[in-house]
Amino acid sequence: AQSVAQPEDQVNVAEGNPLTVKCTYSVSGNPYLFWYVQYPNRGLQFLLKYITGDNLVKGSYGFEAEFNKSQTSFHLKKPSALVSDSALYFCAVRDMGKGDDKIIFGKGTRLHILP
Amino acid sequence: ETGVTQTPRHLVMGMTNKKSLKCEQHLGHNAMYWYKQSAKKPLELMFVYNFKEQTENNSVPSRFSPECPNSSHLFLHLHTLQPEDSALYLCASRWGNTEAFFGQGTRLTVV
Repeated sequence: AQSVAQPEDQVNVAEGNPLTVKCTYSVSGNPYLFWYVQYPNRGLQFLLKYITGDNLVKGSYGFEAEFNKSQTSFHLKKPSALVSDSALYFCAVRDMGKGDDKIIFGKGTRLHILP
Repeated sequence: ETGVTQTPRHLVMGMTNKKSLKCEQHLGHNAMYWYKQSAKKPLELMFVYNFKEQTENNSVPSRFSPECPNSSHLFLHLHTLQPEDSALYLCASRWGNTEAFFGQGTRLTVV
């Protein structure tokens, strides 16, 4: 079965510094990969996705992520963090090898940007 | 706003009550999802519908009963719930190979 791992419960970064939120995945076929952000008492907002093509994908609010097939990773990055980036971040995967509709999420990583 | 609307936003119900959660989208999406988000637990996929047909039931207890009368509406009927069912219930929809769009969620408290 497909799975997603976000190894860090929380990441603390000083404002203005680069940030990375880690994600690794396991699928039987080709993955569709997604990052979402959640602010308190809200639903999940889509940030970016990898379907095919360029390994570096750019998304909303200056975020980007790099697909690494050999390491089965899809880490989220931003060159310069803002306090407003503080939120809960979820990585998700859909296993295209199975041809089903399941989208499985990681447990989430809480990002704290320190002023 | 994502175009996916969930009602009600908050619900408090007793363990013997019957209530329903509603999700609506007019984005033309074919797949609709229910997820459960509990404190300190991963987002749990509950049900998936595709063109009104249920394609996934992730071993969800029968006290949760989904209904998808058409591709725009998804319901989650609740009866005889337990306090541990208190959570944020999220609906999402998707078309083809795009990302899923999420509603704001219903915060359910079972007393």
